[in-house]
Amino acid sequence: EPEVTQTPSHQVTQMGQEVILRCVPISNHLYFYWYRQILGQKVEFLVSFYNNEISEKSEIFDDQFSVERPDGSNFTLKIRSTKLEDSAMYFCASSEQKEKLFFGSGTQLSVL
Amino acid sequence: GENVEQHPSTLSVQEGDSAVIKCTYSDSASNYFPWYKQELGKRPQLIIDIRSNVGEKKDQRIAVTLNKTAKHFSLHITETQPEDSAVYFCAASIYNNDMRFGAGTRLTVKP
Repeated sequence: EPEVTQTPSHQVTQMGQEVILRCVPISNHLYFYWYRQILGQKVEFLVSFYNNEISEKSEIFDDQFSVERPDGSNFTLKIRSTKLEDSAMYFCASSEQKEKLFFGSGTQLSVL
Repeated sequence: GENVEQHPSTLSVQEGDSAVIKCTYSDSASNYFPWYKQELGKRPQLIIDIRSNVGEKKDQRIAVTLNKTAKHFSLHITETQPEDSAVYFCAASIYNNDMRFGAGTRLTVKP
């Protein structure tokens, strides 16, 4: 069964550094998302992406965040200047018809 | 924006009993309500979903009911098994736009 893949599985960075989280959505999916989950808390929506542009973003997704689909397969989340509170599990998800999200296995980001 | 409330936060049942998790939503325009199961350290996985034009949906031991008037929906798991132990999240959205999740329910099924 096709899966959303994410790399790296763990990322440790120093506060103020830039990180790029990578995702390969399921190949025939058209809608892409980033969510995050702080340990023990709910899954929080960050951004949705369709047709090479952001379609929705939450209040969490401020100017330090950006997303890109640099080629036909990858979907990236960049955090420009990481803060301690950015430490979380970041999930990429994709869907074919704007329903039934398929989540990747996540990238655990630790900001020190 | 949409606000989803979920309860209980923890639920413990004996194997074979039923479990019910309830969610309420605030935006009457929401029309898609999925449920996700997340095992420890794993990704959330869709287990069942329902659209607003349907009142109930069942898939083997899992069922979801929706009350649009009251803006609440529930997950029912019958004949629970230890492998049902996980965190369950409800969510609500208008076609996955800005999908909002509930805070999660940690279900423990005791053998």
